[in-house]
Amino acid sequence: GQQVMQIPQYQHVQEGEDFTTYCNSSTTLSNIQWYKQRPGGHPVFLIQLVKSGEVKKQKRLTFQFGEAKKNSSLHITATQTTDVGTYFCPPYNQGGKLIFGQGTELSVKP
Amino acid sequence: GAVVSQHPSRVICKSGTSVKIECRSLDFQATTMFWYRQFPKKSLMLMATSNEGSKATYEQGVEKDKFLINHASLTLSTLTVTSAHPEDSSFYICSARLIVYNEQFFGPGTRLTVL
Repeated sequence: GQQVMQIPQYQHVQEGEDFTTYCNSSTTLSNIQWYKQRPGGHPVFLIQLVKSGEVKKQKRLTFQFGEAKKNSSLHITATQTTDVGTYFCPPYNQGGKLIFGQGTELSVKP
Repeated sequence: GAVVSQHPSRVICKSGTSVKIECRSLDFQATTMFWYRQFPKKSLMLMATSNEGSKATYEQGVEKDKFLINHASLTLSTLTVTSAHPEDSSFYICSARLIVYNEQFFGPGTRLTVL
């Protein structure tokens, strides 16, 4: 199945700073989904991006899908301690399979 | 949102015993469920796709005789870890796919410790 590389692997920020994580694929993706996993918890669906160049916002979170549908990003404005967790961007594969990459672990210092 | 439950949430067993983990979609029907395992500080590794009424599809490297999957109804899939060994200790998470919205809802996970 299709996989993506995600950077950075770890990000430590001061509360109030912005945060961005990037996902890159060598192949064109049909769509990409974003999940958040809190420490000790399970992944929770955030959003799905389907269209080329798509931008979606959820409060302080902004999701983008590249024009070539080979990369995506998640930007968090003014991070809060509740944003702590690992963010994953598994691309959609046939049959609904999600292949999770390493994710980006975000820690926020209050 | 849709809710997926897992039982048990935590299990400790002796080496050589078998452990069954249940995954239920509580308020929707799921023709497809997925099983993952996750080691500390690592990503989720897809183990198999569980299809209602048919055999599960296993990912490369996952032993189907070791990890038995049964998807007997549209709301229940079970994973049985047979003859468990300490290296099977892990966090097992299931998910159910809500086709209409094409997103997956994850269960809370089962932490298995094999002594």
